[in-house]
Amino acid sequence: GDSVTQMEGPVTLSEEAFLTINCTYTATGYPSLFWYVQYPGEGLQLLLKATKADDKGSNKGFEATYRKETTSFHLEKGSVQVSDSAVYFCALSDQGNNRLAFGKGNQVVVIP
Amino acid sequence: DGGITQSPKYLFRKEGQNVTLSCEQNLNHDAMYWYRQDPGQGLRLIYYSQIVNDFQKGDIAEGYSVSREKKESFPLTVTSAQKNPTAFYLCATTKQRGETQYFGPGTRLLVL
Repeated sequence: GDSVTQMEGPVTLSEEAFLTINCTYTATGYPSLFWYVQYPGEGLQLLLKATKADDKGSNKGFEATYRKETTSFHLEKGSVQVSDSAVYFCALSDQGNNRLAFGKGNQVVVIP
Repeated sequence: DGGITQSPKYLFRKEGQNVTLSCEQNLNHDAMYWYRQDPGQGLRLIYYSQIVNDFQKGDIAEGYSVSREKKESFPLTVTSAQKNPTAFYLCATTKQRGETQYFGPGTRLLVL
């Protein structure tokens, strides 16, 4: 079935550093791709999305490009802030059964 | 305000007891979902419903039950058959196939 793989382990970095979180996917169709963010004790919030190949989603300084040739949707931000500390989930939507498949998430900790 | 409401925020269950988690939405979305999140883990789908009076099992339905009598409401019952119920439970909705899922604030279930 459709699946999403995120890089292992938490990410710790200093304020103003460059952030990359890798996400690759396996899908039989043409899924939509999402990044969600979860702050402590809260539900998930949509950060950005892309619905077709070569689309770039962007929001709050974060960007991700839907790369069909490498089946990837890596999340990037050029200069992180302490307030970006959260857990980030990559997900894909299987339009056939209207379900989302999630990666395991990455804890991001930004140190002042 | 439009949105998704989950109650209560914290819920305590005694051994052998059934408990019900509430999820209400006023977004007029057709599909609703229940996920379970364990510490350091991704989200796992318990049940979902794409239309009133119909629902499907997700990946970990054993020990849980749901109903969908109204479009706005999708309560989840954690039965005594669920031997490890301690987790964070998230409800989500979506308007159409392949579109963004929107999440509620979550309910944390603890066993006494």
